[in-house]
Amino acid sequence: NAGVTQTPKFQVLKTGQSMTLQCAQDMNHNSMYWYRQDPGMGLRLIYYSASEGTTDKGEVPNGYNVSRLNKREFSLRLESAAPSQTSVYFCASSDGRGYSNQPQHFGDGTRLSIL
Amino acid sequence: RKEVEQDPGPFNVPEGATVAFNCTYSNSASQSFFWYRQDCRKEPKLLMSVYSSGNEDGRFTAQLNRASQYISLLIRDSKLSDSATYLCAVNRAGSARQLTFGSGTQLTVLP
Repeated sequence: NAGVTQTPKFQVLKTGQSMTLQCAQDMNHNSMYWYRQDPGMGLRLIYYSASEGTTDKGEVPNGYNVSRLNKREFSLRLESAAPSQTSVYFCASSDGRGYSNQPQHFGDGTRLSIL
Repeated sequence: RKEVEQDPGPFNVPEGATVAFNCTYSNSASQSFFWYRQDCRKEPKLLMSVYSSGNEDGRFTAQLNRASQYISLLIRDSKLSDSATYLCAVNRAGSARQLTFGSGTQLTVLP
């Protein structure tokens, strides 16, 4: 039962480098999300995709771009990494149909350090 | 006021104890409520949804109080394995898909 798969699990970058975090889900979910989690800050939504072909900004989108490649895959790109982007990044997905009770299911995270 | 607020704890309780956490939310139009469990350096995992009439799953009971705008999680007969951070999540007004998460309540169950 793969669920939501994120790659890589760990990454160290230098300031100014770029990279793409990959996320794929095999639950046929319509909606996908990218969060970052910092100590004391909880989970903060970066971007989300309500359905294939759409993306929207969340609470903290600056410095990031996303691509909903197909229904399964949702990538997060850092164009020019900054130390403030050091964080744990989680991808999540949810069914996205209907209105109520839309739990999200998370990948096991990418631990990113920017030096 | 934050959209979702939790007492960060930590809550340190002995094995077998009953412990309860609350989570307050600011948007009276919210419709979906969840409790997640997060172990240290791991991903959040769905513990249970919270239904209007309250619901129970084994030792865990979740309740919703719309009048006072909070949800609660009660854990009975605490086990060492219950030690974790518990996050509440509430959907944002006008969006069934977007959830706002609390910062979490840390629970340690002591032998």
